[in-house]
Amino acid sequence: EAQVTQNPRYLITVTGKKLTVTCSQNMNHEYMSWYRQDPGLGLRQIYYSMNVEVTDKGDVPEGYKVSRKEKRNFPLILESPSPNQTSLYFCASSEPRGSNEQFFGPGTRLTVL
Amino acid sequence: AQSVTQLGSHVSVSEGALVLLRCNYSSSVPPYLFWYVQYPNQGLQLLLKYTSAATLVKGINGFEAEFKKSETSFHLTKPSAHMSDAAEYFCALLLKGGYQKVTFGTGTKLQVIP
Repeated sequence: EAQVTQNPRYLITVTGKKLTVTCSQNMNHEYMSWYRQDPGLGLRQIYYSMNVEVTDKGDVPEGYKVSRKEKRNFPLILESPSPNQTSLYFCASSEPRGSNEQFFGPGTRLTVL
Repeated sequence: AQSVTQLGSHVSVSEGALVLLRCNYSSSVPPYLFWYVQYPNQGLQLLLKYTSAATLVKGINGFEAEFKKSETSFHLTKPSAHMSDAAEYFCALLLKGGYQKVTFGTGTKLQVIP
C-alpha cells in the first residue's frame, strides 16, 4: 500500500530536549515536505526537499532541521524544542513530474511543556 | 508571492443543502490548484485538482470546483451535503514550472446539521 508514515504519532516533551520525528514514504517520490498545522493558520511549510541531499527552507524554518540522506526518509529534528513549537506536524511527498498531488502522513501531535 | 484566501473559517449547512466553500488565489504565473479534506484526527487527502485542462473539475464524494481566471477563484461545491462531509477543507496552490512550493489556505470547517 502506497503511504507516508510518521513516528511517533503523539509526543509530549519538555523544553530543550532534542527530538526527532521520522517520516518515510514508499512511493519513490522525489519531493518531500514538512508542515505544521495550527488553528486558524492552516498548514505552513517548514522545510522541503527536492531530492536526496537537497533541502531548502519553507515559510517557518526557525527552530527546525531536516536531512535527506535516503530518498524514502525525511526526518524532522528539533534540537531545542520550545513551547511555541507545540503543534500538529505533517509530512508529505509528491512526484514533481506527475500529478503534483501531495500524499500526507497521518500527523504527529507534539506538545512541548 | 503567491497566496490563497479561504473566506469563512466555519461554514454550516443543513443536510441535503448546497455546499459552497470559497477559495481565491493570487499568483504571478498560472497555478495548479487543489482542494484537500481533513477528517478529524486524520491527515489530508486530495479531493480534486486543477491542472489547466478542463476548468470544471470533478472530485471524489460528489465535490466539484470551477477555475475562474477572471475572478481568481476556485470555489468548491457539492449539490447536496451529507453528514459524512463534516470535515475541514483546505485550498492549496502550486506554481507551475517552479519548485514544489505549495501554499495552503487557512482552512474552512464544514458543519452539516441534520
